[in-house]
Amino acid sequence: QKEVEQNSGPLSVPEGAIASLNCTYSDRVSQSFFWYRQYSGKSPELIMSIYSNGDKEDGRFTAQLNKASQYVSLLIRDSQPSDSATYLCAVRGYGGSQGNLIFGKGTKLSVKP
Amino acid sequence: NAGVTQTPKFQVLKTGQSMTLQCAQDMNHNSMYWYRQDPGMGLRLIYYSASEGTTDKGEVPNGYNVSRLNKREFSLRLESAAPSQTSVYFCASSELLQPRNTIYFGEGSWLTVV
Repeated sequence: QKEVEQNSGPLSVPEGAIASLNCTYSDRVSQSFFWYRQYSGKSPELIMSIYSNGDKEDGRFTAQLNKASQYVSLLIRDSQPSDSATYLCAVRGYGGSQGNLIFGKGTKLSVKP
Repeated sequence: NAGVTQTPKFQVLKTGQSMTLQCAQDMNHNSMYWYRQDPGMGLRLIYYSASEGTTDKGEVPNGYNVSRLNKREFSLRLESAAPSQTSVYFCASSELLQPRNTIYFGEGSWLTVV
């Protein structure tokens, strides 16, 4: 059974700080990695995807992937109250049912003004 | 830009009743999915359809059936609803069942079984 693990939080950071969200996954052949943001009562929204080891930056967001350690993280710089949401880590394999998205249970982030 | 549209948004059912959740996407995607989301359990895949004419079980298929009506539409049916099926249901789609294809979600359907 493939697993994606996240700290459920809540993670509380002050406005302007860096929020660091972490995720580990069990399947070594996982191919692609995603971070979704979900506001309360809303659907998941993709904010970052990463496929290769290293860092990928998009505005205030940086995703980091380490396949050897089976670890993926999301850094949010200059955190804003509007970043308060649950962040879902998701992992996909390749081909057939392996191509399905497996989600972690999410980390709830609270950014305090 | 509608994307993925689900109906109904809210529904209350009595135990034993049946209902169908409807889903349609206008992005010409080949693959479609049904997920459920429960507190503390995250999003779990119920069924998926890799392409028109195919459907497969996901992680939690018991108590559900699906129909891929055409390329656009993928419905989820509860034949005899149980309180354990109280959940938020999300339909989703992607261009293909490939690792780098983004999965897009509908707005969700809140189902309560009493």
